[in-house]
Amino acid sequence: AQSVTQPDIHITVSEGASLELRCNYSYGATPYLFWYVQSPGQGLQLLLKYFSGDTLVQGIKGFEAEFKRSQSSFNLRKPSVHWSDAAEYFCAVATGGGNKLTFGTGTQLKVEL
Amino acid sequence: DVKVTQSSRYLVKRTGEKVFLECVQDMDHENMFWYRQDPGLGLRLIYFSYDVKMKEKGDIPEGYSVSREKKERFSLILESASTNQTSMYLCASIGGGQAYGYTFGSGTRLTVV
Repeated sequence: AQSVTQPDIHITVSEGASLELRCNYSYGATPYLFWYVQSPGQGLQLLLKYFSGDTLVQGIKGFEAEFKRSQSSFNLRKPSVHWSDAAEYFCAVATGGGNKLTFGTGTQLKVEL
Repeated sequence: DVKVTQSSRYLVKRTGEKVFLECVQDMDHENMFWYRQDPGLGLRLIYFSYDVKMKEKGDIPEGYSVSREKKERFSLILESASTNQTSMYLCASIGGGQAYGYTFGSGTRLTVV
């Protein structure tokens, strides 16, 4: 069965530092991969997605992610974190014909000023 | 801007009550989903619907049912609420395949006492 693993439950970075959030997936076919962000008390907002083609994808708010098939990974990166990036981040893989999402358990990002 | 609206942000219900969580989308999307979100468990799919009057079980359907009488509305029903159903409930919709990603509502935090 498909699954998504986010090995880091909590991450703390200083404002202005670089960020990498890890995501590993298990899925038999070519995956559709997503990163979502959830600010406190809010629903989830799509940051970026990968379907095919260029393995480095750009998203909103200065985020990017790289798909590495050999490592079954889709890590999220940002070169310089802002205090407003503090939130919970979820990686997800689309299954069931492409319309069902299986989510990881999330990574809570704290930004120190 | 597209919207998914969940009728209540916070609900407190008593054990054994029948509870209705309502979700409305204004995007003419075919597909709608109900997830529950719990700390450390991420988002887990309860039920989804591909069309009016059609529904399918997700990963954790026990204790829940759904109704979709109109395309824009997808209701989650807790037939007899229990304390282990205390959670954040998120509704989402998608149309036109995953190219556009899910649109999520802001969530309903349900407490069963």
